Amino acid sequence: EAQVTQNPRYLITVTGKKLTVTCSQNMNHEYMSWYRQDPGLGLRQIYYSMNVEVTDKGDVPEGYKVSRKEKRNFPLILESPSPNQTSLYFCASSFRVDTEAFFGQGTRLTVV
Amino acid sequence: AQKVTQAQTEISVVEKEDVTLDCVYETRDTTYYLFWYKQPPSGELVFLIRRNSFDEQNEISGRYSWNFQKSTSSFNFTITASQVVDSAVYFCALVVTSYGKLTFGQGTILTVHP
Repeated sequence: EAQVTQNPRYLITVTGKKLTVTCSQNMNHEYMSWYRQDPGLGLRQIYYSMNVEVTDKGDVPEGYKVSRKEKRNFPLILESPSPNQTSLYFCASSFRVDTEAFFGQGTRLTVV
Repeated sequence: AQKVTQAQTEISVVEKEDVTLDCVYETRDTTYYLFWYKQPPSGELVFLIRRNSFDEQNEISGRYSWNFQKSTSSFNFTITASQVVDSAVYFCALVVTSYGKLTFGQGTILTVHP
């Protein structure tokens, strides 16, 4: 089954404790991206990747890191999480940036 | 810079009413793509439609239709004879291919009452 898998689905952590949210797709897509969803702000792009080893900042990259060592995986790293990073996060993939995006189920992160 | 505005934060209708969700976009580029996505209460994001900047034909898919007007930079979405299952958050999005960034609007929460 074609899918984008994010883990974990829910995470509660403390300020400053490094965490990684994993994202994996099995559709051989070139384009992958991360978004955060906050009430009233819609979906905002954090980082995107056009292909392996090619990543770039989206609109809200501060406090986040990503890597794209393999085509299928695109982990989101929070080196030192802060409460303002409490949000719902989505990973997505598509053949190209201008084609239909497939989204993961979302990760609800709470930083206390 | 690119921007998408969905001015309607929330819309409430009664079943069988028609409803239009507005989307206005900004870009200086001539080659771009527009999308609509649906997020039902279960939380997943579902693709609805993709339209490129050179194709201004309106599209109809069942009860859904989309009106793309470059002259007003709008890509509006109409649901005819709404149903309770249409209750969701709807997002409009824009991508300029040369930049690689995908920009979403703030979303419109649609509630359809029985």
